[in-house]
Amino acid sequence: DTGVSQDPRHKITKRGQNVTFRCDPISEHNRLYWYRQTLGQGPEFLTYFQNEAQLEKSRLLSDRFSAERPKGSFSTLEIQRTEQGDSAMYLCASRRQGQETQYFGPGTRLLVL
Amino acid sequence: SQQGEEDPQALSIQEGENATMNCSYKTSINNLQWYRQNSGRGLVHLILIRSNEREKHSGRLRVTLDTSKKSSSLLITASRAADTASYFCATDAGGGGNKLTFGTGTQLKVEL
Repeated sequence: DTGVSQDPRHKITKRGQNVTFRCDPISEHNRLYWYRQTLGQGPEFLTYFQNEAQLEKSRLLSDRFSAERPKGSFSTLEIQRTEQGDSAMYLCASRRQGQETQYFGPGTRLLVL
Repeated sequence: SQQGEEDPQALSIQEGENATMNCSYKTSINNLQWYRQNSGRGLVHLILIRSNEREKHSGRLRVTLDTSKKSSSLLITASRAADTASYFCATDAGGGGNKLTFGTGTQLKVEL
């Protein structure tokens, strides 16, 4: 198994710009999750997919955020009109349905100036 | 929102000592998982304990779960400098895609 990969690992952007992150889950993992982690806190759930269907979105996911998983494999998370409060680590995780463990990627650290 | 609290927030011990960290949570759960996070990196899964289990071991790790008190503890025996990291508990309440709700974490520092 290759692990969950995320790209880029770091992103610095100016306020108001759009950014897009990519997550490649472990192959054959049909569930994919996005979490956000701010400094000194635990990760917080944002959204999850089962195959290509986005089944739940947290209230943390404002309308500036959009996530897709078009073919049920990789996923993208886009933030439009970034704000300084969006600065955080964005973590992706995947798991196979029926198994309990979620496997996390290395995260994308976003800094909005 | 965070599920609960972890205690202590920070822990500093000498190599070879045992480290115990506690986690409390608020709702009924299917299972509870512990993860480790090295500074600025992703989360590494350590151990999972189901709601019908009371204790579980994996190598130098021992986890207990008390569902009546909604609490769990993680014990790391014979700690090593490489164990220095943040440790998070995460609960799976079932339903809702089995998303995880994390605690606030314990920062462990193991000194030589």
